[in-house]
Amino acid sequence: GAVVSQHPSWVICKSGTSVKIECRSLDFQATTMFWYRQFPKQSLMLMATSNEGSKATYEQGVEKDKFLINHASLTLSTLTVTSAHPEDSSFYICSARDFKVADSGNTIYFGEGSWLTVV
Amino acid sequence: GEDVEQSLFLSVREGDSSVINCTYTDSSSTYLYWYKQEPGAGLQLLTYIFSNMDMKQDQRLTVLLNKKDKHLSLRIADTQTGDSAIYFCAEIKDYKLSFGAGTTVTVRA
Repeated sequence: GAVVSQHPSWVICKSGTSVKIECRSLDFQATTMFWYRQFPKQSLMLMATSNEGSKATYEQGVEKDKFLINHASLTLSTLTVTSAHPEDSSFYICSARDFKVADSGNTIYFGEGSWLTVV
Repeated sequence: GEDVEQSLFLSVREGDSSVINCTYTDSSSTYLYWYKQEPGAGLQLLTYIFSNMDMKQDQRLTVLLNKKDKHLSLRIADTQTGDSAIYFCAEIKDYKLSFGAGTTVTVRA
């Protein structure tokens, strides 16, 4: 099946620095990818929709300048957490849909997620 | 709070059946999903059901859908220790998934 890869899986950064997380679709093209955030023992919350070649669409309450999303190619979307603070520590996970495949319900693929710890 | 609602905890004895319930809100959702998340790991798609179906069975998993009541359930037969995890139901709209809070299933010997 299709694979979505995230990198890094784990990252620790100092408060005030920026960190970039990559989401790649390995064997299909994804014009749209989605970024979710999960706090410990909580559900996943959609942060933004990443659109190839255009600006991301952010969900209400998500700071655009804080969480920069770039979708420069059909197989790569990046999430940059700028000026990270401890409250940004979370599990970030992306998903992508293979739009070339007819929608059968099983066309959304998740990455393995990235654990961010800001110290 | 989340639009999709689930009970938070379920404890089940090994070998028994587990039933996890979920209510969703968007009657136009085309598919409804069940995901499993083990500690420290990402999401694993367990199964999904098309909105015009009432039931779907996949080995030990049975999904029941009551579209009128917007109620979805997941039954795990012969629950094993490896089934201990958090289970999320999710509905989809415009390819965006809305997740429930997750049900933590604990399997006891």
